[in-house]
Amino acid sequence: EDQVTQSPEALRLQEGESSSLNCSYTVSGLRGLFWYRQDPGKGPEFLFTLYSAGEEKEKERLKATLTKKESFLHITAPKPEDSATYLCAVQAETSGSRLTFGEGTQLTVNP
Amino acid sequence: NAGVTQTPKFRVLKTGQSMTLLCAQDMNHEYMYWYRQDPGMGLRLIHYSVGEGTTAKGEVPDGYNVSRLKKQNFLLGLESAAPSQTSVYFCASSYRVVNSPLHFGNGTRLTVT
Repeated sequence: EDQVTQSPEALRLQEGESSSLNCSYTVSGLRGLFWYRQDPGKGPEFLFTLYSAGEEKEKERLKATLTKKESFLHITAPKPEDSATYLCAVQAETSGSRLTFGEGTQLTVNP
Repeated sequence: NAGVTQTPKFRVLKTGQSMTLLCAQDMNHEYMYWYRQDPGMGLRLIHYSVGEGTTAKGEVPDGYNVSRLKKQNFLLGLESAAPSQTSVYFCASSYRVVNSPLHFGNGTRLTVT
C-alpha cells in the first residue's frame, strides 16, 4: 500500500527565516511526486512534479528535491504570503490515475 | 478561462436526503476526479473518469455515484446522505492520467446532520 507522511504537521516561521518541509513516501515504483499549495477555502494549486531521485525544481522562494525515500520543500527567506498548507502526493506505477496524498504541512509566516 | 468550477460552494443536508454536486472544466481535459478532504485523512479519491461516458471507482466509492455524460462535466451524487459524508469535496481534472498535474476546483463544503 502506498503511503505518504508529511512533517511537521504545522510550522511557524518569522519572515526571512528559511526552513524545509518533509514528505516521506513508500510506493511500489514511483511515477511521480507532486507538491501542491492549498490556501484556506481553496482547492490545491499545483507547484512541482518530480520524477526521479536527484531531481530538483525551483519556483521563486520554493525549491523541491527528491530522494528514493523522501522529498523536501525548501523555503528560502519566506514572506507572509507563503503561508498556506503544502501537500505532497505520489503516483505509483501500479496505481493508474490514483494519487496518494499526505495530510499536509500548515505553514504560517509571521511578518 | 475559469478552469474547474464546482457548485454549490456550501450545502447542508439531513440524513437520508440526496443531492448532486456539479463540476465543470473548460480546459478540454479527458480525465476528471472527485476527492474528499477530511481532517487527519488527506485527500482521498472517490471516483474518477478517463473520458466521456466512462467512470471508475477510487479509494472510497461507497455511498456515491458519478456520471460523465459530457466531456466537460462530472457529477457526484449522494443518494442517501449520512453524517460520515460530511466533508469538503474537490473536483479535479488533468490532461493525462500519468504524471499530469491535477487542476482542482475550490471545493464544496457539505454538512450532513
